[in-house]
Amino acid sequence: GNSVTQMEGPVTLSEEAFLTINCTYTATGYPSLFWYVQYPGEGLQLLLKATKADDKGSNKGFEATYRKETTSFHLEKGSVQVSDSAVYFCALIGMDSSYKLIFGSGTRLLVRP
Amino acid sequence: DAGVTQSPTHLIKTRGQHVTLRCSPISGHKSVSWYQQVLGQGPQFIFQYYEKEERGRGNFPDRFSARQFPNYSSELNVNALLLGDSALYLCASSLDPEQLGELFFGEGSRLTVL
Repeated sequence: GNSVTQMEGPVTLSEEAFLTINCTYTATGYPSLFWYVQYPGEGLQLLLKATKADDKGSNKGFEATYRKETTSFHLEKGSVQVSDSAVYFCALIGMDSSYKLIFGSGTRLLVRP
Repeated sequence: DAGVTQSPTHLIKTRGQHVTLRCSPISGHKSVSWYQQVLGQGPQFIFQYYEKEERGRGNFPDRFSARQFPNYSSELNVNALLLGDSALYLCASSLDPEQLGELFFGEGSRLTVL
């Protein structure tokens, strides 16, 4: 079946450091890929998405590239801020089940001043 | 504009009881989905409704049921509660099911089963 695997956290960084959160997936065909973010006390928010191979999703300085050959969708940011502290979820929608998002287990990011 | 609203925000039940959780989607959104998020895990899909019809169901027992009303609001019902049902229940809305994966989530209803 379809699944998403994320690196375990927490990831602790100093402000202005470079961020990578790894995400790999298993799916038949060409799923659509997403990153959602959950800030403390808030609901999940869509951060970015990519719907086909080699697409790059970007938002708020975050980027992720859909890599079909490595079945990956790693999240990156060049310079993190304290306000980026949150839990980040990688997710996919499969071609065979377009009504449901399949989430990874989440990666907590802590950014220290 | 108001986002997705859920009620209650917190509740405590005992094993064997029944619970009803409510969700109001963003105005104009006709599709509502329900997810269960156990502490430390990612959300798991329970149901999707569109135009009052069930479009999809996740791998949850029949104790879980839901419905959508003519105003597009929705209820999630769980019968015969078990300790393992303790979780954050998330409601999400979208304009229609074709907005693949672009969901707007509420803050959730945190259920504790004792």
